[in-house]
Amino acid sequence: GAVVSQHPSWVICKSGTSVKIECRSLDFQATTMFWYRQFPKQSLMLMATSNEGSKATYEQGVEKDKFLINHASLTLSTLTVTSAHPEDSSFYICSARGTDRLFLHFGNGTRLTVT
Amino acid sequence: AQSVTQPDIHITVSEGASLELRCNYSYGATPYLFWYVQSPGQGLQLLLKYFSGDTLVQGIKGFEAEFKRSQSSFNLRKPSVHWSDAAEYFCAVGEGRRALTFGSGTRLQVQP
Repeated sequence: GAVVSQHPSWVICKSGTSVKIECRSLDFQATTMFWYRQFPKQSLMLMATSNEGSKATYEQGVEKDKFLINHASLTLSTLTVTSAHPEDSSFYICSARGTDRLFLHFGNGTRLTVT
Repeated sequence: AQSVTQPDIHITVSEGASLELRCNYSYGATPYLFWYVQSPGQGLQLLLKYFSGDTLVQGIKGFEAEFKRSQSSFNLRKPSVHWSDAAEYFCAVGEGRRALTFGSGTRLQVQP
């Protein structure tokens, strides 16, 4: 079946540094990728939608200059958390959809801890 | 806008007992409906999905769900719960090619 690989699975960084999270579709072309954030004991909240080759669309309240999303190819989307702060510590999950699929495939998530 | 309600934040059942987790959605048309399970610190695992057709959907691990249009519900059921089923369960709704909207989740504890 389709697989979405997300890397790294966990990362610890110092406050003020930037962190890049990668989301790859391994056996299909992902025309659309979605990035979610999940705080402890809470649900998944959509952060942004990215379509290959175009700018991401951010949900209300999500700072586009802080959470940089790049979807430059049909198999890779990246989320960069710039100038990370402790309040950015969260679980980030990507999901991907191909052109012929109604179904979304999810990565295994990235646990970000900012110290 | 779509919304998903999981009214039960936390449920505890005894091992071997039956389980029903509730999910209600608010949407004008028939959306795509999903149930996911998440173990602590892990990603999401799809249990089952409903797009159209038979309203009783079978999933993995012995789970099933029934779509009831009149009640805007998609409740998840399992006839006999195992200790390994303890986890967080999320109902999600999708429309077309848009992102999924998730419910707030139900944490399941299983007593021995």
